[in-house]
Amino acid sequence: QLQFLESGPGLVKPAETLSLTCTVSLDSISGTSYYWAWIRQPPGKGLEWIGNIHHTESTYYNPSLKSRVTISIDTSKKQFSLRLRSVTAADTAIYFCARVRVFMIPSIDFWGQGLPVIVSS
Amino acid sequence: DIQMTQSPSSLSASIGDKVTITCRASQSIKNYLNWYQQKPGQAPKLLIYAAVSLQSEVPSRFSGGGSGTDFTLSITGLQPDDFATYYCQQTYSTPDMYTFGQGTKLEIK
Repeated sequence: QLQFLESGPGLVKPAETLSLTCTVSLDSISGTSYYWAWIRQPPGKGLEWIGNIHHTESTYYNPSLKSRVTISIDTSKKQFSLRLRSVTAADTAIYFCARVRVFMIPSIDFWGQGLPVIVSS
Repeated sequence: DIQMTQSPSSLSASIGDKVTITCRASQSIKNYLNWYQQKPGQAPKLLIYAAVSLQSEVPSRFSGGGSGTDFTLSITGLQPDDFATYYCQQTYSTPDMYTFGQGTKLEIK
């Protein structure tokens, strides 16, 4: 059964870098049918697309976050990662890793359980 | 950017009712529209993809409709498990901006 294990600190200081990793319990994450995404949800608010990556390392970032975000992938470890630089309190959110299926139209067919991250000194 | 607007923002209904949630795109997105259900403390779950296709293992009381700019999610015969927040999402744009609607909270009356 597919599972995602999200890992990373739950507390980050302002101006520092938030780093999260998602480990996927599949034989491989190199398939062409999927790419791998990060989405976040501030407390009590809606969902915000952060960006995604293909196993070829092609990346797409939300323009509003692009200057601060890097998403990377390590197919040998079956992991993909998020780095968000220069964080502020506005980056406090639950961070979800997810799989985007490209069958018919792109849709998120599997989500991690979410990792709460607080930005505070 | 493609903006997604859901209505209503919140909705009260009773067990057994039929409800419809609307999602409007700021430009045509053909059928590149997905619906998700999120319960408190949980990750969202895919219900409908490509505007009308039911995701595997999702009950048939859920249905999607529409194309272009106007879409609907309908739930017939509401069950206690259906009270949650629902989000639409467009995936018509380039993958840097797969935007979500603001959500519709379905509450029990």
